[in-house]
Amino acid sequence: EAGVTQFPSHSVIEKGQTVTLRCDPISGHDNLYWYRRVMGKEIKFLLHFVKESKQDESGMPNNRFLAERTGGTYSTLKVQPAELEDSGVYFCASSQVSSYNEQFFGPGTRLTVL
Amino acid sequence: GDSVTQMEGPVTLSEEAFLTINCTYTATGYPSLFWYVQYPGEGLQLLLKATKADDKGSNKGFEATYRKETTSFHLEKGSVQVSDSAVYFCALSPDMRFGAGTRLTVKP
Repeated sequence: EAGVTQFPSHSVIEKGQTVTLRCDPISGHDNLYWYRRVMGKEIKFLLHFVKESKQDESGMPNNRFLAERTGGTYSTLKVQPAELEDSGVYFCASSQVSSYNEQFFGPGTRLTVL
Repeated sequence: GDSVTQMEGPVTLSEEAFLTINCTYTATGYPSLFWYVQYPGEGLQLLLKATKADDKGSNKGFEATYRKETTSFHLEKGSVQVSDSAVYFCALSPDMRFGAGTRLTVKP
C-alpha cells in the first residue's frame, strides 16, 4: 500500500512569488491534515479536512495560505504571496478515522523563501 | 493552552549507549502522549504511545511511561544502534501539539 506522498520535496522561491504544495493521502483515508515546522521548532497544526470539507482550519497563519481538497482526494496548499517567514517544512498526514493517534505522515515539502 | 517541552538536541551517542530524551507537557484534562520518529528522507512515524497515566508505551526497544505526577513522558532505550539515528518528536493529543524535535546521531 502506498503511503502519503508530497510534491515537491523541495521548493525554493523568491519573496512575493506563489507556491503550491500537493499532498496525496493514503487511498481511502477521509481525513487529511497539514502541519508546518519552521526553523527547527515544533511542528504546528495548520488544518484538517474530512473529505473535501475543512473540519478545522484554526492553525492557518493568515489569508496568504489557501488549502483545498476538491473531490476529497488529494489536497493542495497554496501560499500567495510567499514571505520569508513561510520557510519551513510542510507535512501532510492522513488517517482513516478522525483520530490523531492514527495519522500517517508524508515526507514533507521543504519550502525556502528567499 | 496545551504544550510540549522537549529536550533540545542534537544528541550524539556511541552505539550501545543508553538513551534518554526528556519530554514534559502542560495540558488540561487527560491527553494521550506520543513519540514520533522521522528517519532521514522519510515522514514521521508513530514510535509509541500511551493513553493514560502509568501506561508504558514500547516499540523497537524504546520505552516511555506516562507520568501524570511529573507531567513527563521521557523516551528511553537501553542500547542504541546506528539505525536509530533520526529526529524524535514528543506530542500530545487531542490538539496534536508537538515538541521541537531532538536529533539523535548514533556513531559506530
